[in-house]
Amino acid sequence: NAGVTQTPKFRILKIGQSMTLQCTQDMNHNYMYWYRQDPGMGLKLIYYSVGAGITDKGEVPNGYNVSRSTTEDFPLRLELAAPSQTSVYFCASSSGLAVPDTQYFGPGTRLTVL
Amino acid sequence: GQNIDQPTEMTATEGAIVQINCTYQTSGFNGLFWYQQHAGEAPTFLSYNVLDGLEEKGRFSSFLSRSKGYSYLLLKELQMKDSASYLCALPNAGNNRKLIWGLGTSLAVNP
Repeated sequence: NAGVTQTPKFRILKIGQSMTLQCTQDMNHNYMYWYRQDPGMGLKLIYYSVGAGITDKGEVPNGYNVSRSTTEDFPLRLELAAPSQTSVYFCASSSGLAVPDTQYFGPGTRLTVL
Repeated sequence: GQNIDQPTEMTATEGAIVQINCTYQTSGFNGLFWYQQHAGEAPTFLSYNVLDGLEEKGRFSSFLSRSKGYSYLLLKELQMKDSASYLCALPNAGNNRKLIWGLGTSLAVNP
């Protein structure tokens, strides 16, 4: 199993551009999460999903959108990129079979908005 | 509300033992996680404690005291590769599918 994969690994955007961060898991996990991690700020939850077709906001959802059309994929969309969105983005998944549940992380996408 | 406190940085010597503390406040306790994160990499799961006491996993052990709102991660026989950030996390009291994360303790292991 590849686990959780994310693309791209690195990206530089100009202010106002849009992009989609891809996340795929092959563990048949029900739950998927998007976090951002800024230096000294810890992991902040952006959005999460409990299954295909179901998503909900986390702590810092503004400026982002998500969709979950399949169990495997959970893309994160940035519209009108801003310098404040410069961060490292991690996707994670968990089985949803236990409460609470261990989360498994992808390798991250390092995004810079200039 | 919920809050997690961890020391920001620690240093230790190769071969030694180090204890990384995590204190927390929560309205509803449902376990505590420890994750390891090497620089530039993703967090990886280390341990989950829901009952009081010490749980040992090789060189790493994790301790929990629910009455004191306190946990620690004990790393024995330190190796250079243990240099990393150690994150403490609590399930969100209102929705325990979500985790609340501490800021992490950056451990530097020196030769």
